Amino acid sequence: GAVVSQHPSWVICKSGTSVKIECRSLDFQATTMFWYRQFPKQSLMLMATSNEGSKATYEQGVEKDKFLINHASLTLSTLTVTSAHPEDSSFYICSAQGLAGGPRQETQYFGPGTRLLVL
Amino acid sequence: RKEVEQDPGPFNVPEGATVAFNCTYSNSASQSFFWYRQDCRKEPKLLMSVYSSGNEDGRFTAQLNRASQYISLLIRDSKLSDSATYLCVGSFSGGYNKLIFGAGTRLAVHP
Repeated sequence: GAVVSQHPSWVICKSGTSVKIECRSLDFQATTMFWYRQFPKQSLMLMATSNEGSKATYEQGVEKDKFLINHASLTLSTLTVTSAHPEDSSFYICSAQGLAGGPRQETQYFGPGTRLLVL
Repeated sequence: RKEVEQDPGPFNVPEGATVAFNCTYSNSASQSFFWYRQDCRKEPKLLMSVYSSGNEDGRFTAQLNRASQYISLLIRDSKLSDSATYLCVGSFSGGYNKLIFGAGTRLAVHP
C-alpha cells in the first residue's frame, strides 16, 4: 500500500513556541492532503484540507492563523502550530489522497501521526 | 447531533465470539462509507468499504442501509488481535473526499 510519513512522531515544547509537522507521501503524488486532530477518546476531527499550490480550506472553528498549512509540492504538506498552548496538545494525523485519474485518487492514506505535548 | 454516531462500547467478548457494531449517520448526502480500525496511539487503517449490497472480507461483513442511514460491521470468530477501536466513516465528495469519522467503538477480545 501507499506510504505516508510524518515528522516528528512526537514533540514536547514550551507554551508559546511554534511547532512544524511535516507530512510526506513517499511513493505517490498527492493532490490533496488532509490534517486531522484527535483528542483522547474522541474521533478524528478534520482541521483543514490542503491542495498543492493553493490555500488550505479550514473547517469551521479552526483558526487559520494559528494552524498554518503549506502544501508546497505534490509530496509534502506542513502544519505549523503557532504559539502553541497546552490546549493544543493532541494527536495530529495527516492523510494524502492520490492524483485525480490515478489509482490512488479515491483513498486517503494516513500518516502515523504526531503527538504534541505543550507544557 | 453528530454526523456519524457509534456506541463507544467497550465490547468485551471471548475469543471465538461474534460481535456486531452499529453506526448511524445524519447526512443523507454521504456518498461512501468505510470501517477503519485504530489501535491505541496509532493512525487509523482502512478495514473495508461498505456497500448497500453488503460485502464480506474473511471474518468481517459490512452492510449499508441507506433508507435507515445505518451501517453495520459483523466480526465472526473473534481473535485477540481484533482488539482495537473500530471507526465508522462517511465520505463526502466535492472534488476531494472529505471523511467524517465516528468516535469509534472499542472492542476487547479476551482469552
